[in-house]
Amino acid sequence: GQQLNQSPQSMFIQEGEDVSMNCTSSSIFNTWLWYKQDPGEGPVLLIALYKAGELTSNGRLTAQFGITRKDSFLNISASIPSDVGIYFCAGQSITSGTYKYIFGTGTRLKVLA
Amino acid sequence: DVKVTQSSRYLVKRTGEKVFLECVQDMDHENMFWYRQDPGLGLRLIYFSYDVKMKEKGDIPEGYSVSREKKERFSLILESASTNQTSMYLCASSSFLDRGGNQPQHFGDGTRLSIL
Repeated sequence: GQQLNQSPQSMFIQEGEDVSMNCTSSSIFNTWLWYKQDPGEGPVLLIALYKAGELTSNGRLTAQFGITRKDSFLNISASIPSDVGIYFCAGQSITSGTYKYIFGTGTRLKVLA
Repeated sequence: DVKVTQSSRYLVKRTGEKVFLECVQDMDHENMFWYRQDPGLGLRLIYFSYDVKMKEKGDIPEGYSVSREKKERFSLILESASTNQTSMYLCASSSFLDRGGNQPQHFGDGTRLSIL
């Protein structure tokens, strides 16, 4: 199945730093989602984006739906130790079918205190 | 809040056994999904269902089947478990009626299945 290109694959940052990650696709998407997964748990929805250019925040997290509809970005400001985890993007395209999402391979974030 | 409950967090079975993984959601969602998650491969869709008694194959259906007899419950069945089916299995659900079918998927906590 199709996969999104998510980068970086992993990152180590110092507490207090800002974090940026992104996903790109060869397909045009009409919905972008961002999830966080803690070890041993299921993914938890952070932000949902439905329009090209949309910028949405959830606390220290901000995500944007790219203008081209082929990419999305997630930023975390002033990182803290509990931000550790794997962050996934997911997109829904017209060609993927109404019910299905395509998932990125994840960005593993580690925060150094 | 949406609650998706998977019956077991950890499960150990033997090769050749028939294995049932159960998932229940409490939000009256139409759509339900089963994924497996493996290191470096991300989430891969096994099967999904958009209505009771309806099912569609995902990207990797081989060796699996599903059952959706009630709207809130979606079961994944490993017909004859094999060691390459050792994985983390995630169930998800979503609503279809709003936003033209673009509702986000909400996940359970996963079942870590080991086949010996």
